[in-house]
Amino acid sequence: NAGVMQNPRHLVRRRGQEARLRCSPMKGHSHVYWYRQLPEEGLKFMVYLQKENIIDESGMPKERFSAEFPKEGPSILRIQQVVRGDSAAYFCASSPRAGGSTDTQYFGPGTRLTVL
Amino acid sequence: RKEVEQDPGPFNVPEGATVAFNCTYSNSASQSFFWYRQDCRKEPKLLMSVYSSGNEDGRFTAQLNRASQYISLLIRDSKLSDSATYLCVVKVGGTPLVFGKGTRLSVIA
Repeated sequence: NAGVMQNPRHLVRRRGQEARLRCSPMKGHSHVYWYRQLPEEGLKFMVYLQKENIIDESGMPKERFSAEFPKEGPSILRIQQVVRGDSAAYFCASSPRAGGSTDTQYFGPGTRLTVL
Repeated sequence: RKEVEQDPGPFNVPEGATVAFNCTYSNSASQSFFWYRQDCRKEPKLLMSVYSSGNEDGRFTAQLNRASQYISLLIRDSKLSDSATYLCVVKVGGTPLVFGKGTRLSVIA
């Protein structure tokens, strides 16, 4: 039973390029969360999605960042025109049901983005 | 005031020691509480949920004090493999997890 899968595990981009991060939730999980961890910082929530819907994007920067979770395929976090400050670890988590108070979120291994 | 505050450490303890971490949270509406463990450059992994009555899992004991908005984690008989960063996490209903910055623990032989 595969856990949450993320790819790529490491991504290097030059300033101004686009970064696409992919997340496949655990089997049977239909709720996906993206978090960002800047160096020496805690994880910060970015966006919560269900299939074909963005439920909560209160943690997403207003510009350059977007996320989707299509009916088929993985969830995608897209960062356009990357800047050095986007360098971070991006973690995806999934849960089986609506984000109730007791639902555990399981984390993927993360994608480490480095912007040169 | 930060939503979840933790002493960053590091806590350097010898093998076999008992060590305690504390955490405070600001949102009194918080309903769920967790301790996650994060190894260097890895993803967070759930260590244990924290219940009002307190709960124990082997060498690990978690306590919650809702009145003081305070959570603790006690590790007894520390092992080298316990070396990691321990993240205090709270949740309000269906909202996303809110993480503290973590407390670093190094267990020394």
